[in-house]
Amino acid sequence: DGGITQSPKYLFRKEGQNVTLSCEQNLNHDAMYWYRQDPGQGLRLIYYSQIVNDFQKGDIAEGYSVSREKKESFPLTVTSAQKNPTAFYLCASTMGGTNYGYTFGSGTRLTVV
Amino acid sequence: AQSVSQHNHHVILSEAASLELGCNYSYGGTVNLFWYVQYPGQHLQLLLKYFSGDPLVKGIKGFEAEFIKSKFSFNLRKPSVQWSDTAEYFCAVRGLGSYIPTFGRGTSLIVHP
Repeated sequence: DGGITQSPKYLFRKEGQNVTLSCEQNLNHDAMYWYRQDPGQGLRLIYYSQIVNDFQKGDIAEGYSVSREKKESFPLTVTSAQKNPTAFYLCASTMGGTNYGYTFGSGTRLTVV
Repeated sequence: AQSVSQHNHHVILSEAASLELGCNYSYGGTVNLFWYVQYPGQHLQLLLKYFSGDPLVKGIKGFEAEFIKSKFSFNLRKPSVQWSDTAEYFCAVRGLGSYIPTFGRGTSLIVHP
Protein backbone atom coordinates (compact mmCIF):
# COMPACT_ATOMS: atom_id res chain seq x y z
CA ASP A 1 0.00 0.00 0.00
CA GLY A 2 1.19 3.51 -0.78
CA GLY A 3 1.65 5.96 2.00
CA ILE A 4 3.95 7.99 4.19
CA THR A 5 6.13 6.37 6.82
CA GLN A 6 7.43 8.40 9.70
CA SER A 7 9.91 6.93 12.10
CA PRO A 8 10.32 6.54 14.92
CA LYS A 9 6.87 6.93 16.45
CA TYR A 10 8.31 8.10 19.76
CA LEU A 11 11.68 9.74 20.28
CA PHE A 12 13.42 10.89 23.41
CA ARG A 13 16.50 13.09 23.39
CA LYS A 14 18.54 15.02 25.85
CA GLU A 15 18.53 18.78 25.69
CA GLY A 16 21.29 20.13 23.46
CA GLN A 17 21.34 17.18 21.08
CA ASN A 18 20.35 17.33 17.45
CA VAL A 19 17.85 14.72 16.31
CA THR A 20 16.65 13.70 12.87
CA LEU A 21 13.10 12.59 12.11
CA SER A 22 12.54 10.38 9.10
CA CYS A 23 9.80 10.79 6.49
CA GLU A 24 9.54 8.45 3.50
CA GLN A 25 6.76 8.28 0.91
CA ASN A 26 6.11 5.78 -1.87
CA LEU A 27 3.30 7.75 -3.49
CA ASN A 28 5.51 9.38 -6.11
CA HIS A 29 4.40 12.74 -4.75
CA ASP A 30 6.40 15.79 -5.75
CA ALA A 31 5.80 18.01 -2.74
CA MET A 32 6.52 17.21 0.90
CA TYR A 33 5.88 19.15 4.08
CA TRP A 34 6.76 19.16 7.75
CA TYR A 35 4.27 20.42 10.32
CA ARG A 36 4.48 20.79 14.05
CA GLN A 37 1.33 20.08 16.05
CA ASP A 38 0.91 21.53 19.53
CA PRO A 39 -2.27 21.36 21.62
CA GLY A 40 -4.56 24.28 20.83
CA GLN A 41 -2.30 25.59 18.07
CA GLY A 42 -3.21 23.33 15.20
CA LEU A 43 -0.63 22.56 12.55
CA ARG A 44 2.16 25.00 11.87
CA LEU A 45 4.36 24.69 8.80
CA ILE A 46 8.07 24.19 9.42
CA TYR A 47 9.50 23.51 5.95
CA TYR A 48 8.24 22.39 2.59
CA SER A 49 9.75 21.10 -0.61
CA GLN A 50 8.14 21.11 -4.04
CA ILE A 51 10.94 19.35 -5.91
CA VAL A 52 14.14 17.46 -5.19
CA ASN A 53 17.07 19.56 -3.98
CA ASP A 54 14.83 22.51 -3.23
CA PHE A 55 12.99 23.52 -0.07
CA GLN A 56 11.56 26.63 1.55
CA LYS A 57 11.05 27.82 5.10
CA GLY A 58 7.61 27.76 6.57
CA ASP A 59 6.22 29.83 9.40
CA ILE A 60 8.36 28.36 12.19
CA ALA A 61 11.62 27.23 10.54
CA GLU A 62 14.00 28.56 13.19
CA GLY A 63 15.89 25.75 14.89
CA TYR A 64 15.06 23.21 12.19
CA SER A 65 16.77 22.03 9.02
CA VAL A 66 15.76 19.72 6.17
CA SER A 67 17.15 18.10 3.06
CA ARG A 68 15.53 16.71 -0.08
CA GLU A 69 18.13 14.61 -1.85
CA LYS A 70 15.58 12.04 -3.06
CA LYS A 71 11.99 12.46 -4.14
CA GLU A 72 10.72 9.95 -1.62
CA SER A 73 12.59 11.25 1.43
CA PHE A 74 12.34 14.50 3.40
CA PRO A 75 14.12 14.19 6.78
CA LEU A 76 13.77 16.89 9.42
CA THR A 77 16.56 17.73 11.87
CA VAL A 78 15.59 19.37 15.12
CA THR A 79 18.68 21.24 16.23
CA SER A 80 19.77 22.36 19.65
CA ALA A 81 18.81 25.89 18.61
CA GLN A 82 15.11 25.01 18.71
CA LYS A 83 13.94 26.38 22.06
CA ASN A 84 10.84 24.23 22.53
CA PRO A 85 11.40 21.04 20.55
CA THR A 86 9.03 18.79 22.48
CA ALA A 87 6.07 18.36 20.13
CA PHE A 88 4.26 16.11 17.69
CA TYR A 89 5.73 16.31 14.18
CA LEU A 90 3.75 15.47 11.07
CA CYS A 91 5.02 14.88 7.57
CA ALA A 92 2.73 15.28 4.56
CA SER A 93 2.95 15.01 0.81
CA THR A 94 0.94 15.86 -2.26
CA MET A 95 1.14 15.52 -6.01
CA GLY A 96 2.54 18.45 -7.92
CA GLY A 97 0.01 21.05 -8.86
CA THR A 98 -2.79 22.40 -6.75
CA ASN A 99 -5.65 20.05 -7.52
CA TYR A 100 -4.92 17.55 -4.82
CA GLY A 101 -5.34 17.06 -1.12
CA TYR A 102 -2.59 16.04 1.25
CA THR A 103 -1.56 12.67 2.63
CA PHE A 104 -0.21 12.65 6.17
CA GLY A 105 2.09 10.31 8.00
CA SER A 106 1.28 8.98 11.45
CA GLY A 107 3.65 11.40 13.15
CA THR A 108 6.62 11.35 15.51
CA ARG A 109 6.27 12.47 19.08
CA LEU A 110 9.54 14.03 20.18
CA THR A 111 10.27 14.57 23.86
CA VAL A 112 13.36 16.44 24.93
CA VAL A 113 14.42 15.97 28.53
CA ALA B 1 -1.73 35.99 3.64
CA GLN B 2 -4.40 33.44 4.30
CA SER B 3 -5.71 32.52 7.73
CA VAL B 4 -8.26 30.13 9.15
CA SER B 5 -10.39 30.49 12.25
CA GLN B 6 -12.16 27.61 13.94
CA HIS B 7 -14.49 29.06 16.53
CA ASN B 8 -15.16 25.99 18.63
CA HIS B 9 -12.11 24.60 20.35
CA HIS B 10 -13.93 21.93 22.32
CA VAL B 11 -17.34 20.43 21.58
CA ILE B 12 -19.08 17.78 23.67
CA LEU B 13 -22.18 16.06 22.33
CA SER B 14 -24.31 13.05 23.05
CA GLU B 15 -24.79 10.38 20.41
CA ALA B 16 -27.45 11.23 17.81
CA ALA B 17 -27.02 14.96 18.34
CA SER B 18 -26.41 17.15 15.32
CA LEU B 19 -23.00 18.66 14.72
CA GLU B 20 -21.86 21.89 13.16
CA LEU B 21 -18.26 23.04 13.40
CA GLY B 22 -17.48 26.54 12.26
CA CYS B 23 -14.66 27.50 9.92
CA ASN B 24 -14.00 30.96 8.56
CA TYR B 25 -11.09 31.96 6.41
CA SER B 26 -9.40 35.10 5.32
CA TYR B 27 -8.13 35.28 1.76
CA GLY B 28 -8.82 37.67 -1.04
CA GLY B 29 -9.00 35.27 -3.94
CA THR B 30 -10.23 31.88 -5.00
CA VAL B 31 -9.62 29.14 -2.48
CA ASN B 32 -9.53 25.40 -2.05
CA LEU B 33 -11.00 24.26 1.27
CA PHE B 34 -10.46 21.10 3.29
CA TRP B 35 -11.63 19.38 6.43
CA TYR B 36 -9.33 16.81 8.00
CA VAL B 37 -10.01 14.50 10.92
CA GLN B 38 -7.56 13.00 13.38
CA TYR B 39 -8.94 10.07 15.37
CA PRO B 40 -7.17 9.28 18.64
CA GLY B 41 -3.78 7.76 17.91
CA GLN B 42 -4.20 7.96 14.15
CA HIS B 43 -2.92 10.19 11.37
CA LEU B 44 -4.85 12.99 9.75
CA GLN B 45 -7.33 11.87 7.14
CA LEU B 46 -9.16 13.90 4.54
CA LEU B 47 -12.88 14.18 5.31
CA LEU B 48 -13.85 16.29 2.34
CA LYS B 49 -12.64 19.07 0.11
CA TYR B 50 -14.02 21.85 -2.02
CA PHE B 51 -12.30 23.01 -5.17
CA SER B 52 -15.16 24.27 -7.35
CA GLY B 53 -18.72 23.54 -8.39
CA ASP B 54 -21.53 22.65 -5.99
CA PRO B 55 -20.84 24.49 -2.74
CA LEU B 56 -22.39 21.66 -0.72
CA VAL B 57 -19.74 19.00 -0.46
CA LYS B 58 -20.33 15.50 0.86
CA GLY B 59 -17.48 13.58 2.44
CA ILE B 60 -16.88 10.29 4.15
CA LYS B 61 -18.79 8.95 7.15
CA GLY B 62 -21.86 11.13 6.59
CA PHE B 63 -20.09 14.47 6.92
CA GLU B 64 -20.84 17.41 4.68
CA ALA B 65 -19.70 21.01 4.43
CA GLU B 66 -21.12 24.08 2.76
CA PHE B 67 -18.97 26.74 1.17
CA ILE B 68 -20.58 30.16 1.56
CA LYS B 69 -18.40 32.54 -0.37
CA SER B 70 -20.09 35.70 0.90
CA LYS B 71 -19.40 34.66 4.48
CA PHE B 72 -15.93 33.22 3.85
CA SER B 73 -17.13 30.11 5.64
CA PHE B 74 -16.85 26.35 5.21
CA ASN B 75 -18.75 24.84 8.14
CA LEU B 76 -18.72 21.10 8.73
CA ARG B 77 -21.98 19.32 9.54
CA LYS B 78 -23.29 15.91 10.45
CA PRO B 79 -26.96 15.27 11.24
CA SER B 80 -26.39 12.57 13.85
CA VAL B 81 -23.02 11.95 15.48
CA GLN B 82 -21.73 8.65 16.79
CA TRP B 83 -19.31 7.82 19.56
CA SER B 84 -16.79 6.88 16.86
CA ASP B 85 -16.77 10.50 15.63
CA THR B 86 -14.75 11.47 18.70
CA ALA B 87 -11.70 13.10 17.16
CA GLU B 88 -9.98 16.36 16.38
CA TYR B 89 -11.16 18.21 13.30
CA PHE B 90 -9.07 20.64 11.28
CA CYS B 91 -10.20 23.09 8.65
CA ALA B 92 -7.64 24.17 6.04
CA VAL B 93 -7.57 26.72 3.24
CA ARG B 94 -5.27 27.04 0.27
CA GLY B 95 -5.23 30.00 -2.06
CA LEU B 96 -5.65 29.07 -5.71
CA GLY B 97 -2.23 28.54 -7.24
CA SER B 98 -0.58 28.05 -3.86
CA TYR B 99 0.95 24.78 -2.73
CA ILE B 100 0.69 25.62 0.94
CA PRO B 101 -2.44 25.04 3.00
CA THR B 102 -3.06 26.96 6.18
CA PHE B 103 -4.68 24.99 8.98
CA GLY B 104 -6.98 26.15 11.71
CA ARG B 105 -6.23 25.39 15.35
CA GLY B 106 -8.55 22.43 15.39
CA THR B 107 -11.74 21.49 17.21
CA SER B 108 -11.76 18.64 19.67
CA LEU B 109 -15.05 16.73 19.49
CA ILE B 110 -16.09 14.31 22.23
CA VAL B 111 -19.22 12.25 21.70
CA HIS B 112 -20.69 10.55 24.74
CA PRO B 113 -22.42 7.19 24.15
